[in-house]
Amino acid sequence: TQLLEQSPQFLSIQEGENLTVYCNSSSVFSSLQWYRQEPGEGPVLLVTVVTGGEVKKLKRLTFQFGDARKDSSLHITAAQPGDTGLYLCAGDRGSTLGRLYFGRGTQLTVWP
Amino acid sequence: DSGVTQTPKHLITATGQRVTLRCSPRSGDLSVYWYQQSLDQGLQFLIQYYNGEERAKGNILERFSAQQFPDLHSELNLSSLELGDSALYFCASSPWYSLNTEAFFGQGTRLTVV
Repeated sequence: TQLLEQSPQFLSIQEGENLTVYCNSSSVFSSLQWYRQEPGEGPVLLVTVVTGGEVKKLKRLTFQFGDARKDSSLHITAAQPGDTGLYLCAGDRGSTLGRLYFGRGTQLTVWP
Repeated sequence: DSGVTQTPKHLITATGQRVTLRCSPRSGDLSVYWYQQSLDQGLQFLIQYYNGEERAKGNILERFSAQQFPDLHSELNLSSLELGDSALYFCASSPWYSLNTEAFFGQGTRLTVV
């Protein structure tokens, strides 16, 4: 059983569309991170959110941490083919330098 | 480039064999994590070392073992390999000063067991 559930598992959209990916849990996390992974490569850290209700923007990407620190969302505005990849959320349960719990990921494909 | 180096990048071996995967963390990072990624299981945490000592254990099989050396590089040993062990194996490291665990991943080792 995954501690973090991501939805949707697959997303296929046209360039210019908006999308939201969700990461949910029944557990509280001290921080939550989003990673992007491309084929044959390791996940790359996009952002870390640590405060309940926090919103962070990275160009066209908006990340939100739920008020209760149990869930997060990633919203992409005007998606581009370069956004294609596997998006993973990962949570830290609170011990410093502890393990991360990963969701199974959302595979995003953006068609030109 | 994350600064985490994994070797080899690809490995093909037969069932029953033993292999060693190597990881050099980012300069100064004391914490090393090993993950296994397969299509059906996603990214699964195997084990964590911090400054040479085992810190956390996840879904690591008894046939697998790891260690972190004084120079902080780490090795993951996989023995009595089975077809189902075919997967991507990632190493990640975290800075010692990070209050929140932020992992920097290597490019992975793709293991194929035939």
